[in-house]
Amino acid sequence: GQQLNQSPQSMFIQEGEDVSMNCTSSSIFNTWLWYKQEPGEGPVLLIALYKAGELTSNGRLTAQFGITRKDSFLNISASIPSDVGIYFCAGQLEEAAGNKLTFGGGTRVLVKP
Amino acid sequence: NAGVTQTPKFRVLKTGQSMTLLCAQDMNHEYMYWYRQDPGMGLRLIHYSVGEGTTAKGEVPDGYNVSRLKKQNFLLGLESAAPSQTSVYFCASSYLIGTGPYEQYFGPGTRLTVT
Repeated sequence: GQQLNQSPQSMFIQEGEDVSMNCTSSSIFNTWLWYKQEPGEGPVLLIALYKAGELTSNGRLTAQFGITRKDSFLNISASIPSDVGIYFCAGQLEEAAGNKLTFGGGTRVLVKP
Repeated sequence: NAGVTQTPKFRVLKTGQSMTLLCAQDMNHEYMYWYRQDPGMGLRLIHYSVGEGTTAKGEVPDGYNVSRLKKQNFLLGLESAAPSQTSVYFCASSYLIGTGPYEQYFGPGTRLTVT
């Protein structure tokens, strides 16, 4: 099936620093979504993007829909400990029946010891 | 609104046993989905439904069956559980295209272990 390559697979954050992660694909998507999952919970939607080039913020989170429609980026500014979790990107192909999403493998965000 | 709820939260089965996972949503969403999540992997779609009385196969449907008898409920069945079905199962729902956002909203998950 379709693949979304999400990187990095994991990262350590230090309080106060800015971090970035991205998702790339060989296919064109018409929607990009970013989710966060905390231990023992289901994924929670953070940001939804619908247009190429769109830049959307949600508090300290900012995501962009790449102009080629094959990638998306998520930035977290001024990290805090509660940013720890797994962040997933998800894309929806134009022809996707039933609003089906393709998910990336996730970026695990951890706090530097 | 409770959003998307799943029961049970945890279950241990022996190989060959059967069970049904229940998903319920109170957002009047047309579409519902069942995913599985395995360690180190993203979410993989098992089955989905585009409306009451309809179901369709996703990426990994083998060994599972589903039913959508009511719009608000989506059931996932394992007829003869296998250790390979040990996983965390998530249900999600979304609006029909054109009537609302396309985003999928997830339940809290069911952790299933098959011994």
